[in-house]
Amino acid sequence: AQKITQTQPGMFVQEKEAVTLDCTYDTSDPSYGLFWYKQPSSGEMIFLIYQGSYDQQNATEGRYSLNFQKARKSANLVISASQLGDSAMYFCAMGEKDTNAGKSTFGDGTTLTVKP
Amino acid sequence: DTEVTQTPKHLVMGMTNKKSLKCEQHMGHRAMYWYKQKAKKPPELMFVYSYEKLSINESVPSRFSPECPNSSLLNLHLHALQPEDSALYLCASSRILGLAGGRKGTDTQYFGPGTRLTVL
Repeated sequence: AQKITQTQPGMFVQEKEAVTLDCTYDTSDPSYGLFWYKQPSSGEMIFLIYQGSYDQQNATEGRYSLNFQKARKSANLVISASQLGDSAMYFCAMGEKDTNAGKSTFGDGTTLTVKP
Repeated sequence: DTEVTQTPKHLVMGMTNKKSLKCEQHMGHRAMYWYKQKAKKPPELMFVYSYEKLSINESVPSRFSPECPNSSLLNLHLHALQPEDSALYLCASSRILGLAGGRKGTDTQYFGPGTRLTVL
């Protein structure tokens, strides 16, 4: 069975500083995908970044980067130059790769608050 | 275009009512999902449709009835709900990938804005 652990229920960061949100995972599958989503208070789940288990390089998307350490089974999200609009709940998720339309396993989430 | 739309945005219903939630995507995705999310909790998977066929039902009570009339539309029919069913209901869609070696896989899921359901 797959499991995602996010150990930080809440995080605070000063505007314009960088912040790292932790995510560790557990799976016996050799092939999987790791995702980060942002959910503002409005409720919409916004896709941020994806890392495949066989990808050699860490994924980056604008101010978001994923620090993927396969041996340690961690996939931390790094947000550079935080903005007030980054205040939201962030979910790390793992998707199965070897199924037709797979399930995604979500962590419990981290609430990020950006201070002005 | 990575848009998934959901209607209505808010829904209040009594326990004897019948209502439906609607989800639509025009990205050509062939996998569609329903999730239920309680406040401050992660989304819980309810149903998965793959090529318009129900492929996963996560032991959801029969008062929730999904329907996929075509590749762009996904409905969730609600009947005789309980107050504990009040939640945010999220729809998502994704591509289905054909991977090398005959394996299959699912691409990134794109979510709609959700329907906030209150059952009185």
